Amino acid sequence: GAVVSQHPSRVICKSGTSVKIECRSLDFQATTMFWYRQFPKQSLMLMATSNEGSKATYEQGVEKDKFLINHASLTLSTLTVTSAHPEDSSFYICSAPPGQKAKNIQYFGAGTRLSVL
Amino acid sequence: SQQGEEDPQALSIQEGENATMNCSYKTSINNLQWYRQNSGRGLVHLILIRSNEREKHSGRLRVTLDTSKKSSSLLITASRAADTASYFCATDEGKLIFGQGTELSVKP
Repeated sequence: GAVVSQHPSRVICKSGTSVKIECRSLDFQATTMFWYRQFPKQSLMLMATSNEGSKATYEQGVEKDKFLINHASLTLSTLTVTSAHPEDSSFYICSAPPGQKAKNIQYFGAGTRLSVL
Repeated sequence: SQQGEEDPQALSIQEGENATMNCSYKTSINNLQWYRQNSGRGLVHLILIRSNEREKHSGRLRVTLDTSKKSSSLLITASRAADTASYFCATDEGKLIFGQGTELSVKP
């Protein structure tokens, strides 16, 4: 089946630093990828839709200057949390639809747990 | 934004029992999907049911959809300890909108 790889799985950083999270589709091309945020014991909140070769589409209330998304190739999208603060600590997950391989469904990365000290 | 509610929020059962989780949504849908999430991990797709379908089976999973009531249910039969996870419904609107989830604990 389709595989989405997310890296790193865990990151601890100091307040004020920037953190980059990578999401790769390993055996399929993804023109679109999605980034979610999940707080403990809560559901996934869609942050933004990453579009290859164009600007990301952000959900209402998500700061685009805070969460920079780059989708430079058909297999890689990156989420950069800029000037991270403790309130940015969360579980970040990406997903991608494998397209013709399996219409409509999403394949998810394993997630990145960000802890900002 | 969240699509709707799931209930129960948490469910604890013994191995061998059946587990039923319910999901309600607010908008018209093309399809509804169920996903599973093990603690601290990504989500795994379980089953997709289209708006013109009423019931779908996959192994020990049975999903129903009632578009008139805007609700769906996921039944896991003969549960196992390995079924312990969080289960989310999601509506497909070009992007997935997830419900609140049900945390299922299956005790051996």
